[in-house]
Amino acid sequence: DAGVIQSPRHEVTEMGQEVTLRCKPISGHDYLFWYRQTMMRGLELLIYFNNNVPIDDSGMPEDRFSAKMPNASFSTLKIQPSEPRDSAVYFCASSLTGYEQYFGPGTRLTVT
Amino acid sequence: DQQVKQNSPSLSVQEGRISILNCDYTNSMFDYFLWYKKYPAEGPTFLISISSIKDKNEDGRFTVFLNKSAKHLSLHIVPSQPGDSAVYFCAAVNAGKSTFGDGTTLTVKP
Repeated sequence: DAGVIQSPRHEVTEMGQEVTLRCKPISGHDYLFWYRQTMMRGLELLIYFNNNVPIDDSGMPEDRFSAKMPNASFSTLKIQPSEPRDSAVYFCASSLTGYEQYFGPGTRLTVT
Repeated sequence: DQQVKQNSPSLSVQEGRISILNCDYTNSMFDYFLWYKKYPAEGPTFLISISSIKDKNEDGRFTVFLNKSAKHLSLHIVPSQPGDSAVYFCAAVNAGKSTFGDGTTLTVKP
């Protein structure tokens, strides 16, 4: 298996623009997680899905952030409009059990 | 309120010696604990885990110890190798949600 795939790997955008991050989980994994990593806050959970259904989105910072999982093999995290404080590395992870998670390589987002 | 803490930002050990990484937690509802390793420009990689009903789990050179009364877990790496140099995160799980510590950077010197 190719592991968790994220795209793009790097994204540079201007404040106010819409940003869409993409994730393909490992086939057969029923859980999908989105994380954000910053120096100030470390690795924090934004939202997670089970069988394509959002279970807990309490970590989503504000309404500018939204996540979808239209099918078992694809998820998106969208930021609209983006702000400089959204600059971070965003990780997607998938899991068979909900415990051990397998992370993608991350998307480094820079908002200028 | 940081529920999972790794109080040592960094640790340096000599190749062949033991590395001990520590993690403390505050929430007694955590029922599963994991360690992840992270290299630069990569995502964290799952290393080893332990259920709250156990106090030790071993996998090759890696052993995780859990002390529930002290709300403390540790990762032992024996013997340490230069390739083990990375950032190590502990994570604790409650109701499907993982909470991560800030990480400890381990450097193993040849």
